[in-house]
Amino acid sequence: QVQLVESGGGVVQPGRSLRLSCAASGFTFGSYTMHWVRQVPGKGLEWVALMSYDGTKKSHADSVKGRFTISRDNSKNTLNLQMSSLQVEDTAVYYCARGRTFGTGWYFDLWGQGTLVTVSS
Amino acid sequence: DIQLTQSPSFQFASVGDRLTITCRASHGISSNLAWYQQKPGRAPNLLIYGASTLQSGVPSRFSGSGSGTEFTLTISSLQPDDFATYYCQQLNGYPFTFGPGTKVGIK
Repeated sequence: QVQLVESGGGVVQPGRSLRLSCAASGFTFGSYTMHWVRQVPGKGLEWVALMSYDGTKKSHADSVKGRFTISRDNSKNTLNLQMSSLQVEDTAVYYCARGRTFGTGWYFDLWGQGTLVTVSS
Repeated sequence: DIQLTQSPSFQFASVGDRLTITCRASHGISSNLAWYQQKPGRAPNLLIYGASTLQSGVPSRFSGSGSGTEFTLTISSLQPDDFATYYCQQLNGYPFTFGPGTKVGIK
């Protein structure tokens, strides 16, 4: 069925790195812009990064710029988030989401179940 | 960056109540706003996009309106399944910011 499944979360020490993956199935992954969104437990949602359908365009939130890198492999239907120099403030559930265009804007119509990243010494 | 505010932050209501949540943007975003519902331990679920277009499969008791800087999400008759947190999100430009959320609880 149509779904996104994140993996790679866990407990990591401050300053270390972690790589998250999002496996897509049931739709033509290579046709969609994809996003990462995170949520500190009990708090609100924060958009993290996007990558265009063909990988030619990407953007990162200022809070992660220079530390996190989004990438994708359309041959494997996979979206990735390489996270380095992790900080305690990066502790959150990380969701991948599918982006759709509507007029001049967008919306996120499909979300994964999320993977928890805990940054702690 | 475009900032979003939501009011109220918390709303206690009863089954059958009409509920309205407001989202305000710091700058005009045309109709590039979406609404999501989130329940504890679950991913957000898209309700409304383009400020007023109902996502397929979402009950018709949900509706959205507004443009520019002020938007509303209305639930015409609250059902037990609707007790959740609701977020607005602007998708007019990067970063795609979210509002702080409105938690709807049982009165």
